[in-house]
Amino acid sequence: DGGITQSPKYLFRKEGQNVTLSCEQNLNHDAMYWYRQDPGQGLRLIYYSQIVNDFQKGDIAEGYSVSREKKESFPLTVTSAQKNPTAFYLCASSSPVADNQPQHFGDGTRLSIL
Amino acid sequence: ILNVEQSPQSLHVQEGDSTNFTCSFPSSNFYALHWYRWETAKSPEALFVMTLNGDEKKKGRISATLNTKEGYSYLYIKGSQPEDSATYLCAFLAWAAGNKLTFGGGTRVLVKP
Repeated sequence: DGGITQSPKYLFRKEGQNVTLSCEQNLNHDAMYWYRQDPGQGLRLIYYSQIVNDFQKGDIAEGYSVSREKKESFPLTVTSAQKNPTAFYLCASSSPVADNQPQHFGDGTRLSIL
Repeated sequence: ILNVEQSPQSLHVQEGDSTNFTCSFPSSNFYALHWYRWETAKSPEALFVMTLNGDEKKKGRISATLNTKEGYSYLYIKGSQPEDSATYLCAFLAWAAGNKLTFGGGTRVLVKP
């Protein structure tokens, strides 16, 4: 079955530690995205990538980093510079916007501070 | 940052009743408006991608309308069922924004048996 796999489902971070969230897709989509959701809020865009080896900052990129070395993979690193990392993180992918196709989402990773 | 608003934030509906709620977005530089349904413990799933002013889309008991000139979209649920309980998200795509969607805060719908 084609889809998006995020891992782990739950993640705990110690103070001063970097953690990496995994996102893999087998939908052959060029574009991939990372969103953050906080309680009572909508999805906010962290980073997105429209093609391999290229990515752009979203609205809340500070304290995060990404890479896009393969079409299938778009890992997100939450660095120690992100002072409030506790949130629910969603990864998504899509075909080109001109196709008017929706985004497809993974099941998410919940990150908490120890 | 673009302003996309959804109202109400939450609503309770009696099973069998119909309901509707709103997504407001900028009326300029419109390219597309997406609707997603997000059930608890699942991933968001797409309902509609709407691109034309006056467009109306339907999926089962759920339908949506679009007014790009005034910047709003309505989502309707006819004869609500408990399985319709979810958070409904709209997302605005502007011209020249690439693939970058701006999401509203969502409307959480709870259908009571």
